[in-house]
Amino acid sequence: DTAVSQTPKYLVTQMGNDKSIKCEQNLGHDTMYWYKQDSKKFLKIMFSYNNKELIINETVPNRFSPKSPDKAHLNLHINSLELGDSAVYFCASSLGGGGEQYFGPGTRLTVT
Amino acid sequence: AQSVTQLDSQVPVFEEAPVELRCNYSSSVSVYLFWYVQYPNQGLQLLLKYLSGSTLVKGINGFEAEFNKSQTSFHLRKPSGHNSDTAEYFCAVWSTGNQFYFGTGTSLTVIP
Repeated sequence: DTAVSQTPKYLVTQMGNDKSIKCEQNLGHDTMYWYKQDSKKFLKIMFSYNNKELIINETVPNRFSPKSPDKAHLNLHINSLELGDSAVYFCASSLGGGGEQYFGPGTRLTVT
Repeated sequence: AQSVTQLDSQVPVFEEAPVELRCNYSSSVSVYLFWYVQYPNQGLQLLLKYLSGSTLVKGINGFEAEFNKSQTSFHLRKPSGHNSDTAEYFCAVWSTGNQFYFGTGTSLTVIP
């Protein structure tokens, strides 16, 4: 009965590869987010989707592309991975933009 | 633009001593305020939130926070810290404009 789930939990890959992280929520929320947390714990929003439509797209390289097949899913695809992409990526969801956000457990991405 | 300032990056306290983590925000419009906790290797979990009404809000694990509009602050407090409170704490603000802003985090260490 996990509320927000992400797969995989760990991802180790080499520079230049393409990878995807999946996120699913079973809370009936209409808004989903992707965050990047660096080694200093800084949390930076990357994307926000409301009802499958992109509403926030922060300054993120276009190698990162979110895809929302339906309201319950928001996947993150990353092309041509770089060393600097190494971080923990969190998915979150909320009911509306001002609702409290529920976070997934995170995906630790390591690019070697 | 909104901003959230967590004044202390690290707060060490002895067990059973009072805990205070400070948060200030900049906003000229109505805001919702949140505190999240992140235990090691986990996602963020909501501690408490202020949407409207009473300025003193109580959350889980004995934490509370007071919304002070004149000082634009939302400090987090607990009368007596416990070792299990050791974690990273994030203050967050949502304002019209439909975006969440997270602070840079405060690492609380409760020393036995």
